[in-house]
Amino acid sequence: DAGVTQSPTHLIKTRGQQVTLRCSPKSGHDTVSWYQQALGQGPQFIFQYYEEEERQRGNFPDRFSGHQFPNYSSELNVNALLLGDSALYLCASSSGTARGYTFGSGTRLTVV
Amino acid sequence: AQSVTQPDIHITVSEGASLELRCNYSYGATPYLFWYVQSPGQGLQLLLKYFSGDTLVQGIKGFEAEFKRSQSSFNLRKPSVHWSDAAEYFCAVGRGDDSKLTFGTGTRLQVTL
Repeated sequence: DAGVTQSPTHLIKTRGQQVTLRCSPKSGHDTVSWYQQALGQGPQFIFQYYEEEERQRGNFPDRFSGHQFPNYSSELNVNALLLGDSALYLCASSSGTARGYTFGSGTRLTVV
Repeated sequence: AQSVTQPDIHITVSEGASLELRCNYSYGATPYLFWYVQSPGQGLQLLLKYFSGDTLVQGIKGFEAEFKRSQSSFNLRKPSVHWSDAAEYFCAVGRGDDSKLTFGTGTRLQVTL
């Protein structure tokens, strides 16, 4: 049974560009959450998607947007990249509450 | 707002020694508490979680944690550390009706042989 799959694993972008990160949830999970983990920090909640809608959002600017598809997979989009957006982006899937979170291995984004 | 404090940034223990990682939380209601472990360049693996009931919870890899409401703490313990336990450990808090998790800044564990 596959867990949470994220792609790509690594990405290098130039400041001002746009990026799309992808996440396939664990089988049986219908909720996808995204977290940003800067170097040396704990993960910070970006937003959560359920039934193809953003259910909750953390303290991140509108440059960060997302989407959930009918098969529960999700995308995280970041526009107008800043150097400070360099981080490990983690996707977590669950069925309902955080009690069932399963994290992916993340996408390492480097903005130069 | 909920918050988590992990006061120890870096801890070094000898293999076979006991371990205790500290976690204090700030929360207005009964918290849902978690400990995760992260190896370099990897995602997060759940070690254990507390929702209610027995305040001493057992997790994977021989870890346990004790919820102490009076001290707002949820410390992680292991009686005998193995070299493979070297990693970053994160404490997190959430609400029962809210899936957002708030993480601490982590404690890096180094194990000497």
